[in-house]
Amino acid sequence: KAGVTQTPRYLIKTRGQQVTLSCSPISGHRSVSWYQQTPGQGLQFLFEYFSETQRNKGNFPGRFSGRQFSNSRSEMNVSTLELGDSALYLCASSLTGGGTDTQYFGPGTRLTVL
Amino acid sequence: GEDVEQSLFLSVREGDSSVINCTYTDSSSTYLYWYKQEPGAGLQLLTYIFSNMDMKQDQRLTVLLNKKDKHLSLRIADTQTGDSAIYFCAESTVKSGNTPLVFGKGTRLSVIA
Repeated sequence: KAGVTQTPRYLIKTRGQQVTLSCSPISGHRSVSWYQQTPGQGLQFLFEYFSETQRNKGNFPGRFSGRQFSNSRSEMNVSTLELGDSALYLCASSLTGGGTDTQYFGPGTRLTVL
Repeated sequence: GEDVEQSLFLSVREGDSSVINCTYTDSSSTYLYWYKQEPGAGLQLLTYIFSNMDMKQDQRLTVLLNKKDKHLSLRIADTQTGDSAIYFCAESTVKSGNTPLVFGKGTRLSVIA
């Protein structure tokens, strides 16, 4: 069974631009969560989608948004990029996203904002 | 609020055992996880333990949970250079709807040959 895939793996953008990251979950998984990883803040939860609906959202500004498609693939978008948005963005999938559900992570997209 | 604490660094000699510790604050934590991250990679699930268990063993890995002290540990037997990585402890709770994982800052394990 293929794991979680994320594209692209690396991105370089400049301040003020916007970016879209993509995540394909493990086949059969309907929940997709996004996390931001930085050296200073560690791993922080961005949001979670299940059946095309955002169920939970972390403490991030509205510049961070996401969506999920009917095939469970998910995208996240960051508008008006800031230097502090440079991070590794990790996507995780699970069957239903419940608290007892194991999350499996993709390799991440490393975003660099210049 | 929820918080997970880990020591930042651990250095061991090849062949020795490694013990990585973690403490958490949420008493309603139900599942506790250990993830491994190698340089440039995502998170690899190593093992997890339910809060109603005290111990779980999986090959070279042993997880011990002290629920009273909210302390979790991961023991790696016969540590190898390939075990050098960052290890993250994470918790999840069973609340209404889904709950995101809450991670510690990670423990960087260095294995000396």
